[in-house]
Order: sequence, then structure tokens, then C-alpha cells
Amino acid sequence: EAQVTQNPRYLITVTGKKLTVTCSQNMNHEYMSWYRQDPGLGLRQIYYSMNVEVTDKGDVPEGYKVSRKEKRNFPLILESPSPNQTSLYFCASSTDGSVNEQFFGPGTRLTVL
Amino acid sequence: AQSVAQPEDQVNVAEGNPLTVKCTYSVSGNPYLFWYVQYPNRGLQFLLKYITGDNLVKGSYGFEAEFNKSQTSFHLKKPSALVSDSALYFCAVSNSGGYQKVTFGTGTKLQVIP
Repeated sequence: EAQVTQNPRYLITVTGKKLTVTCSQNMNHEYMSWYRQDPGLGLRQIYYSMNVEVTDKGDVPEGYKVSRKEKRNFPLILESPSPNQTSLYFCASSTDGSVNEQFFGPGTRLTVL
Repeated sequence: AQSVAQPEDQVNVAEGNPLTVKCTYSVSGNPYLFWYVQYPNRGLQFLLKYITGDNLVKGSYGFEAEFNKSQTSFHLKKPSALVSDSALYFCAVSNSGGYQKVTFGTGTKLQVIP
């Protein structure tokens, strides 16, 4: 089954404790992206990647890191999480981020205390 | 910088009536426009897109959208609403510039009343 998977689905952590949210897709897509969803703010793009070793900032990259060492995986790293990063995070993939639809993962709900 | 505006936080419509969810955009170059739907506790699902060609595009579940270049709008429509259409709807824009950056709107909650 074609899908985007994220782990963990739920995470509660404390300020400053480094964490990684994994994202994997099995559709051989070149494009992958991370978003955060907050009430009243909609979806905001954090980082995106057009291919292996090619990443670029979205609208809200501060406090986040990403890497794209292999095509199927696109982990999101929070080196020193803060409470304002409490949010619902979505990973997505596509053959082309501009012209083709994105396939979204189920989401990761992160709480930073 | 590109942007999307969804001016209504919530739209209420009676079952069987036509529905419209509004979206306007701002982007350099040619716009690529998308609508997605999100059901509770789920990820987003693609509904339809406009890339080029006919201004009226048809998508999943009987939805359609009309691209209006002069008004920079891409409103989502359905002739007859179903209770099961109740969900959160997002409009998104990218462009032909090659950067593949995608900007979403703030979302509109559609409530279809039985």
C-alpha cells in the first residue's frame, strides 16, 4: 500500500531535550515536506526537499533541522525544543511539489512542556 | 512571497444545498492551485488541482473549483452538499518558478447541517 508513515504519532517531551520525528514514504517520490498545523494558522511549511541532499526552508524553519540522505526518508529534528513548537506535524511527499498533489502522513502530535 | 487567503473560518450549509468555500491567492508567475480536505484526526487528502487549461476543474467526491485569473480566486464548489462533506478544507498555491515551495491557507471548516 502506498503510504507516508510518521513516528511517533504522539510525543510529550520537555524543553531542551533533542528529538527526531521520522518520516518515510514508499512511493519513490522525489519531493518531501514537513508542515506544522496550528489552530487559526492553518498549515505552514517548515522545510522541503526536492531530492536527496537537496533541502530548502519553508515559511517557518526556525528551530528545526532536516536531512535527506536517502530518497524514502526525511526526518525532522528539533535540537532544543521549546513550548512554542507544540503543534501537530505532518510529513508529505509528491513526485513534484509544484504541480502534483502531495500525499500526507497521519500526523505527529508533539507537546513540549 | 506567495500567499493564500481563506476569508471564512467556517461555512454552514444545509444538506442538499450548493456549497462554496472561498480562496484567493497571490503568487509570482503562473499559479498552481490545490484543494485538500482534512477529516478529524486524519492527514490531508487531495481533492483537485488547477495547473493549466480549463478554468473549471473537477475533482473527487463531486467537488469542483473555478480558477479566475482576474480575481486571483480558486473557489471550491459542490452542487449538493452531503453531511459527510463536513470537514476542514485547505487551499494551497505553488508556482512555476521551480522552487516547489507550497503555501497553504488557514483552512475553512465546512459544516453541513442535516
